[in-house]
Amino acid sequence: GENVEQHPSTLSVQEGDSAVIKCTYSDSASNYFPWYKQELGKGPQLIIDIRSNVGEKKDQRIAVTLNKTAKHFSLHITETQPEDSAVYFCAAPLSGGSYIPTFGRGTSLIVHP
Amino acid sequence: DAGVTQSPTHLIKTRGQHVTLRCSPISGHKSVSWYQQVLGQGPQFIFQYYEKEERGRGNFPDRFSARQFPNYSSELNVNALLLGDSALYLCASSSTLTGFSYEQYFGPGTRLTVT
Repeated sequence: GENVEQHPSTLSVQEGDSAVIKCTYSDSASNYFPWYKQELGKGPQLIIDIRSNVGEKKDQRIAVTLNKTAKHFSLHITETQPEDSAVYFCAAPLSGGSYIPTFGRGTSLIVHP
Repeated sequence: DAGVTQSPTHLIKTRGQHVTLRCSPISGHKSVSWYQQVLGQGPQFIFQYYEKEERGRGNFPDRFSARQFPNYSSELNVNALLLGDSALYLCASSSTLTGFSYEQYFGPGTRLTVT
């Protein structure tokens, strides 16, 4: 099955700095890579995703890059703000007809004011 | 429109008991998936239902079962509860199972504590 590794497990930055979280996956047939933000006491919220036919996608301060050859994708957050503090998860699906995602273990991002 | 809703919010059960968790998807969404999230880890896939049929099952024992109703709401049932079943149970809905839309939208979860 799919194996997803996420690094780092914790990331502490100063407000205004950039943050980068990286995930690697094992199934070369995976074709959809979402990132979720989970705040305390809430369910994960989809913040950005990328499909295998593009290398980069941006949405305001967040971006995701995909390297299919190396089988890794990264979340980039620029100009971080205290409200970006949360746990971030990446996911990658098993290949096949159903969408069955494997999640990374999460990155706890702390943005210090 | 309301997002994914789950009930109850919190639940405390004793070992050996049975529990039923409920989920209502976003209006118009026909696919519901269930996940277990243990503290400090990412969600782990349990089941996926589409148009009332099971379309995917994760590596969970037969004590876990689920079903989807004609209105696309879903129930997750867990029998013979173990201490290790304590977790946040998440429901996610999406508009299509495969094809263009893989986007899943999660509910707030049900926090299950087994004592």
